[in-house]
Amino acid sequence: SQTIHQWPATLVQPVGSPLSLECTVEGTSNPNLYWYRQAAGRGLQLLFYSVGIGQISSEVPQNLSASRPQDRQFILSSKKLLLSDSGFYLCAWRTPTGTPNNEQFFGPGTRLTVL
Amino acid sequence: GDSVTQMEGPVTLSEEAFLTINCTYTATGYPSLFWYVQYPGEGLQLLLKATKADDKGSNKGFEATYRKETTSFHLEKGSVQVSDSAVYFCALRRGSGGSNYKLTFGKGTLLTVNP
Repeated sequence: SQTIHQWPATLVQPVGSPLSLECTVEGTSNPNLYWYRQAAGRGLQLLFYSVGIGQISSEVPQNLSASRPQDRQFILSSKKLLLSDSGFYLCAWRTPTGTPNNEQFFGPGTRLTVL
Repeated sequence: GDSVTQMEGPVTLSEEAFLTINCTYTATGYPSLFWYVQYPGEGLQLLLKATKADDKGSNKGFEATYRKETTSFHLEKGSVQVSDSAVYFCALRRGSGGSNYKLTFGKGTLLTVNP
């Protein structure tokens, strides 16, 4: 069966510090991968998606970047965190485009607080 | 663009009460509609879905019917339990590939069920 992992689970970082959040998927190949952010009082917003290694699409301009160095690894980064980067970050995967039953499955999330 | 509007929370009910969480959407074409649930400290889980008009999604006693004429997908449960306390997100999806697959979420509704 497929599983999705995120770490760390919680993180407190000072403004201006770098960030690296990791997401890995097990039990599937060539998944589509997604990063969402849930800010306080707001809904979930799609930040990035990836359909393959090295292929990243950004949905909204922001202080963050994403990378996919391996098939089942998706990393969210920042060089200098802002207060507004605080939130709950969710990684999700789905089976590749064109396959049936391709719902998105979410990881447990990382709660980031920038002070 | 696409959008999802959910009733504002929080919603507080007593055990065995009837639950309705309203959800309406704006989208072109024929989107698929979803309800996700987020239990405290966890990521999102798909609760139910409907992919075409008049479809009824159901799971764990929850139901929602895709009403195209009213662009709605209201979530209902006849008798809530304390374990149903969570945040509920309504979402829509258009398309099947890349960014067109992305989910557009409502802001979420916090439900608290008291014994």
